[in-house]
Amino acid sequence: AQKVTQAQTEISVVEKEDVTLDCVYETRDTTYYLFWYKQPPSGELVFLIRRNSFDEQNEISGRYSWNFQKSTSSFNFTITASQVVDSAVYFCALSEAEGNFNKFYFGSGTKLNVKP
Amino acid sequence: NAGVTQTPKFQVLKTGQSMTLQCAQDMNHEYMSWYRQDPGMGLRLIHYSVGAGITDQGEVPNGYNVSRSTTEDFPLRLLSAAPSQTSVYFCASNEVTGIMETQYFGPGTRLLVL
Repeated sequence: AQKVTQAQTEISVVEKEDVTLDCVYETRDTTYYLFWYKQPPSGELVFLIRRNSFDEQNEISGRYSWNFQKSTSSFNFTITASQVVDSAVYFCALSEAEGNFNKFYFGSGTKLNVKP
Repeated sequence: NAGVTQTPKFQVLKTGQSMTLQCAQDMNHEYMSWYRQDPGMGLRLIHYSVGAGITDQGEVPNGYNVSRSTTEDFPLRLLSAAPSQTSVYFCASNEVTGIMETQYFGPGTRLLVL
C-alpha cells in the first residue's frame, strides 16, 4: 500500500485561480514529518515546507498555505492567486523513523499547469 | 557552501557497462541517500547512509552498490547497467536539527541505458 497518495495526477488552472493539491498519508507512528517539494521544469527538487505530527496549526507563507489534519491523515497544499511560475510537479512526502534513520516516502506527484 | 552536488548531469551507457554516480555535500550532514525518479512513480529510495562507514538498503537496492568512506561523499555504483535502470537519480543530504529533519537534493543525474 502507498504510504503517500497524491490522487491528482495533473491539474490545469488559469492564472490567478486558487488551487489545492491533495495529499493523504498512512503511518502507524505517532511521530512523523510531512513535507512538500516543488520540481519545476528545470528538474531540481525544491523544499517548500516541513511539518511535524505534533503541530496541526495551518501555515501560510505568502501565496502558499498548508492544511494539516491528522483526523483525515491529510496534508493539503493551496496556492492562492496562482501564477505561471507555479507550474511544476509538486511532491508530498512522509518521513518516519525506521531504526536509526528517518526514511522518506514520496507520493507520485501532482503536475500543476498554470496557464496565462 | 555548494550544498549537494552530483556528477555527471547526464550519462548514456550500454547494457552491461559499469559506472559510478558521484554525490558530495559540504554541509557536514551525517545522513545521505540515493533515490531514483521514474515517470508516475515519484521518488524511490535506493540506498542510504547514516554516517561514514554505515550504509543500508532502501526500497529498490538491486543492481546498485554504495559506500561511504567520508562524510562528504556518497557514490552510487552500477556494476552492470540494465535498461531498467534508465532513470533520473537524485542524491539527498539530511539536515537534522533536534528532532526535525529536512532533505536537500542535488540537481540530479539523468541516466540512459541502451
